[in-house]
Amino acid sequence: DTAVSQTPKYLVTQMGNDKSIKCEQNLGHDTMYWYKQDSKKFLKIMFSYNNKELIINETVPNRFSPKSPDKAHLNLHINSLELGDSAVYFCASSQDRVTGGNQPQHFGDGTRLSIL
Amino acid sequence: GQNIDQPTEMTATEGAIVQINCTYQTSGFNGLFWYQQHAGEAPTFLSYNVLDGLEEKGRFSSFLSRSKGYSYLLLKELQMKDSASYLCAVSRDDYKLSFGAGTTVTVRA
Repeated sequence: DTAVSQTPKYLVTQMGNDKSIKCEQNLGHDTMYWYKQDSKKFLKIMFSYNNKELIINETVPNRFSPKSPDKAHLNLHINSLELGDSAVYFCASSQDRVTGGNQPQHFGDGTRLSIL
Repeated sequence: GQNIDQPTEMTATEGAIVQINCTYQTSGFNGLFWYQQHAGEAPTFLSYNVLDGLEEKGRFSSFLSRSKGYSYLLLKELQMKDSASYLCAVSRDDYKLSFGAGTTVTVRA
């Protein structure tokens, strides 16, 4: 019955590897997001999709590629992992902004990525 | 872009009141959110202000002054479980949400 679930919760891997993080929401929301929270605790938006369409694409290395197979899922694939990619990655979702106005975002529990 | 400033840390006693200030500068302001984040957990929504004034929700209240670029979150009757990081987040008219670095509140017995 988890609202926004992301897997895995912990990811430890070596530099240069490729990895994916999955996110699913069962809230019926139209908009999903990926955030990165670094060691200084800043939460920074990376991407946002609305009904499978990319609407926010911040300045993120193109090693990061989001994919939204349907509006309930937003996955994040990262190629050639670097030490600086170590962080907590949060997925979030919210109701449609056009019809619902400014709605709060619901966050998953985060994926703690550690690069060795 | 936007600058969002909030104090790094605050400490208060159980049962007391704490006020967390947040100042911001942004174009296309479209509302301000407050989130609570316990260590190692996800941020959870606390409050939203888009018009000037005070919004009250139980022990938590949030205030906004758009002309001053200022908001505060007021936590009353502090409990130990309120020890957490409190994030101020500014929404723009393109619906991008920008977060401050968070204020870590420690509640002492």
